[in-house]
Amino acid sequence: KAGVTQTPRYLIKTRGQQVTLSCSPISGHRSVSWYQQTPGQGLQFLFEYFSETQRNKGNFPGRFSGRQFSNSRSEMNVSTLELGDSALYLCASSRTGTTGELFFGEGSRLTVL
Amino acid sequence: EDQVTQSPEALRLQEGESSSLNCSYTVSGLRGLFWYRQDPGKGPEFLFTLYSAGEEKEKERLKATLTKKESFLHITAPKPEDSATYLCAVQAGSGYSTLTFGKGTMLLVSP
Repeated sequence: KAGVTQTPRYLIKTRGQQVTLSCSPISGHRSVSWYQQTPGQGLQFLFEYFSETQRNKGNFPGRFSGRQFSNSRSEMNVSTLELGDSALYLCASSRTGTTGELFFGEGSRLTVL
Repeated sequence: EDQVTQSPEALRLQEGESSSLNCSYTVSGLRGLFWYRQDPGKGPEFLFTLYSAGEEKEKERLKATLTKKESFLHITAPKPEDSATYLCAVQAGSGYSTLTFGKGTMLLVSP
């Protein structure tokens, strides 16, 4: 059974640019959550999608957005990148999105120069 | 605001030397407490779910326990392959998959 797949694994951007990260959940999983992981703040919740609807959103600025497609694949976008956006972005999936038992991908490591 | 504090930040053990990791939490309406393991360059991997005070879960050399204010992850006779960062998280409120994570305990087990 394939796990959660995130692309790209690594990317480097400069300040002011935008970036789009992709996540393919485990087959049959309809909930996709996104987390940002930094050494200083740890893992912080960004947002959660279920059946193409955003059900919950963390305390991040509007530059961070996401969407989910009908096949449950999800993308997140960060516009007008800042140095502080450098982080590991983790996607996690679950069947219904009501459990804390999440299956994480290996993440997309974003470096902003 | 939900808060999760893990201690110690880092722990170095000799192979076979048992110890415990602590996770203290403040949350309104706890729905569940979760332990994850994260290896370098990987995403977190689910270990345990605990729902109510007094509950215990075991898996190989790991045992997780829960009280009303904290959880412990006991590691018995650890091996080098147990080296990882152990993350604690709580789920509260709406019940959706929104977890509040602690910053983790980095465990290094030396042979």
